[in-house]
Amino acid sequence: QVQLQESGPGLVEPSQILSLTCTVSGDSITNRNYYWSWIRQPAGKGLEWIGRVYKTGSANYYDPLKSRVSISLDTSKNQFSLALHAVTAADTAVYYCARTKSRGWYGDWFDSWGQGTLVTVSS
Amino acid sequence: DVQMTQSPSSVYASIGDRVTITCRASQAMSNWLAWYQQKPGKAPKVLIYDVSTLQSGVPSRFSGSGSGRDFTLTISGLQPEDFATYYCQQADRFPLSFGGGTKVEIK
Repeated sequence: QVQLQESGPGLVEPSQILSLTCTVSGDSITNRNYYWSWIRQPAGKGLEWIGRVYKTGSANYYDPLKSRVSISLDTSKNQFSLALHAVTAADTAVYYCARTKSRGWYGDWFDSWGQGTLVTVSS
Repeated sequence: DVQMTQSPSSVYASIGDRVTITCRASQAMSNWLAWYQQKPGKAPKVLIYDVSTLQSGVPSRFSGSGSGRDFTLTISGLQPEDFATYYCQQADRFPLSFGGGTKVEIK
């Protein structure tokens, strides 16, 4: 049974970097059948896909965030991470990591999720 | 980008009711659509993927259908644990996107 757990600061100052880590247990992030994604949800609002990374380190991002975001892997720790630069209050949200079943360039769906972590951007 | 519009945004229903939620894509899609259930304070949980394939462990009262631009999630015989918010998600092309959600509430 795969489990994912987000970790990182719950409060980030404006213009700084939001950094989160997802620790995966019960599966390997080098499993060729999956990508690994970050998704966020502002309070009371819907879900927004941020990006995904494959075991090779190749990543895809949501275009409006592309200039500010990077997702990376640490295979030695079975973790993947999110870095979002130059944050504003609009980046305040619950951030989820998720295991992603994919056919490559289409057909992605999220079969396992972390519990989510609230990140507030405020001074 | 593919925009997903869900309707209704909320629905009031009773135990045992049949509930239908619709998701319309801004352009025609292949059959790469998933549905999720989210309860307050919890992560979403996948119910259906590839339009109509039930995720393992999901009760058979949940079903999905549709093609082209219009897709439907049906709950046949609403149970107390089904009161939640439901989201569709398209995976036809990047960026992946979700509908705005449908809240199923107790009548």
